[in-house]
Amino acid sequence: QVRLQESGPGLVKPSQTLSLTCTVSGGSINSGSYYWSWIRQPAGKELEWIGRIFKSGITSYNPSLKSRVSISLDTSRNQFSLILSSVTAADTAVYYCVRDLGPSDAFDIWGQGTMVTVSS
Amino acid sequence: EIVLTQSPGTLSLSPGERATLSCRTSQSVSSSSLAWYQHKPGQAPSLLIYGASSRATGIPNRFSGSGSGTDFTLTISRLEPEDFAVYYCQQYGSSPYTFGQGTKLEIK
Repeated sequence: QVRLQESGPGLVKPSQTLSLTCTVSGGSINSGSYYWSWIRQPAGKELEWIGRIFKSGITSYNPSLKSRVSISLDTSRNQFSLILSSVTAADTAVYYCVRDLGPSDAFDIWGQGTMVTVSS
Repeated sequence: EIVLTQSPGTLSLSPGERATLSCRTSQSVSSSSLAWYQHKPGQAPSLLIYGASSRATGIPNRFSGSGSGTDFTLTISRLEPEDFAVYYCQQYGSSPYTFGQGTKLEIK
């Protein structure tokens, strides 16, 4: 059974870079036709899709974050990562890594989420 | 982007009752590309319904989804104690993929 687990710093200073990693267990990140996404939820607000990556390395991002976001794969470690630059307090949120069934499909497996606070 | 509006914000019901949750989209969602998720505190969200009406693997048949265009409904026919949670709808027909603000289903 595939499981996803987020890891990374829980506190990031304003203007710095947020970096999170998702470790996939119980299955290969290279198998099938799955995409791998990041989603976040600020307290009291809606879930927000950040972006996704396919095993080929092709990415797509939410236009609202595109200028600051990068998602990458490390197939040797069965991990994918999120980098968000120039963070502000508005980037404080629970961040989820998610298995994504594709551009026209739902998100079928979620990590438990990791809280990231942007504060000096 | 497509905005999703869920109602009610909170629904208070008793075990055994029927729950009806609504999700309205600001534009028609193509090919019924709408999903429902359940989220319990401290747990990962889980996929319940995709394609507006198809149950995900392992989801009990007391959960059903319906609707098309801009109006969608999640129905839980007979509430079990473990069903009390927050429910989100999401559209994946048009990027960026967007979510509703959630309906909290609480025990009355």
